[in-house]
Amino acid sequence: DAGVIQSPRHEVTEMGQEVTLRCKPISGHNSLFWYRQTMMRGLELLIYFNNNVPIDDSGMPEDRFSAKMPNASFSTLKIQPSEPRDSAVYFCASSLRGADTQYFGPGTRLTVL
Amino acid sequence: SQQGEEDPQALSIQEGENATMNCSYKTSINNLQWYRQNSGRGLVHLILIRSNEREKHSGRLRVTLDTSKKSSSLLITASRAADTASYFCATALSSNTGKLIFGQGTTLQVKP
Repeated sequence: DAGVIQSPRHEVTEMGQEVTLRCKPISGHNSLFWYRQTMMRGLELLIYFNNNVPIDDSGMPEDRFSAKMPNASFSTLKIQPSEPRDSAVYFCASSLRGADTQYFGPGTRLTVL
Repeated sequence: SQQGEEDPQALSIQEGENATMNCSYKTSINNLQWYRQNSGRGLVHLILIRSNEREKHSGRLRVTLDTSKKSSSLLITASRAADTASYFCATALSSNTGKLIFGQGTTLQVKP
């Protein structure tokens, strides 16, 4: 069974460009989480969805960040416009129920020049 | 401020020795989880302990939870070079939200 799939694995872009990160959760999981990991701030929860509905987006840094989950098998995290301080590894995770185990994808390493 | 704080930040031991990592948190929790992250990879779930449990074992892993002290420890016995990774505790404040708050992690190096 495939795990959480993220694409792209690496993204290098220039400041001001739009960046879209993609995630396919494990089939049957009904919760999806987006995290950002940096050396300075550690692992931060950006937003999470239950049954495709955004529940808590209090971790989204600012209006430049947006996330969608149009169906149970796909989610996107968009940054527009991107800035160098957005450089980080972005992880998507999914879980079967509430606060149980989360399964992480391999991450997308974003570099904004 | 962080819900979970881990101690030590870094730990270096010889293969075969035991490694102990600690996690402290601030508010009441539903459960506490430990995850491992190998360099350049995503996090992998190791073990979950619920607030009404005090100790749990999984292979070479032993986790304890002291809700009165708001702390947990992860013990890895008979460590191996392959255990080299970062270890994170994560607290779930509620059973309904699914939201986890991660600590800053402990970087463990096991020397062969």
